[in-house]
Amino acid sequence: AIRITQSPSSLSASTGDRVTITCRASQGISSYLAWYQQKPGKAPKLLIYAASTLQSGVPSRFSGSGSGTDFTLTISCLQSEDFATYYCQQYYTYPQTFGQGTKVEIK
Amino acid sequence: QVQLVESGGGVVQPGRSLRLSCAASGFTFSSYGMHWVRQAPGKGLEWVAVIWYDGSNKYYADSVKGRFTISRDNSKNTLYLQMNSLRAEDTAVYYCAREMPATVVTPGGAFDIWGQGTMVTVSS
Repeated sequence: AIRITQSPSSLSASTGDRVTITCRASQGISSYLAWYQQKPGKAPKLLIYAASTLQSGVPSRFSGSGSGTDFTLTISCLQSEDFATYYCQQYYTYPQTFGQGTKVEIK
Repeated sequence: QVQLVESGGGVVQPGRSLRLSCAASGFTFSSYGMHWVRQAPGKGLEWVAVIWYDGSNKYYADSVKGRFTISRDNSKNTLYLQMNSLRAEDTAVYYCAREMPATVVTPGGAFDIWGQGTMVTVSS
């Protein structure tokens, strides 16, 4: 199975900060990577797919980049509603795998 | 509106069985691949299984292979997960999710619609 290493596992930031989360795949996955946001007690929400395509309705402060094995999610100007846990997911092959998650907390 | 609603969760003893359902509405269910994803309490997301839009192909995580069976009834717009020989480590919230189809410019595969989840607790 393809392993996805996501970092950091948690971070503290303030509103207005620029935040970057990375995922590294154990083998090349082209651009078959998605990013999700999850708030406590809620289902995950798709933010980015195909590594860099913004899902409809998602604010433009979210962006994704990368291909092959290294990927990045950037939140350009953190808002209060962005404090949540973020996951990346590879869907290049089965079994599909998720990163371990990054919890973004208020500093 | 586009919606997925899971049901069937509960408390079950180790070794017993449970069947989860996921009712779809607001879209053409028979056109989409469907997945189950689970999340143990306080843990991350784990992909469980997929079934293609027409039921022709199914794939499973190693952790559930041989014990869980994914199926669908396109006439009822419903996805199922039959879980046998349940273990304590199967305790989790189980989500069903819709797979995005490919477009001219992007590959398919991400999960754009999720249900609210149903809790399964395996305990004696």
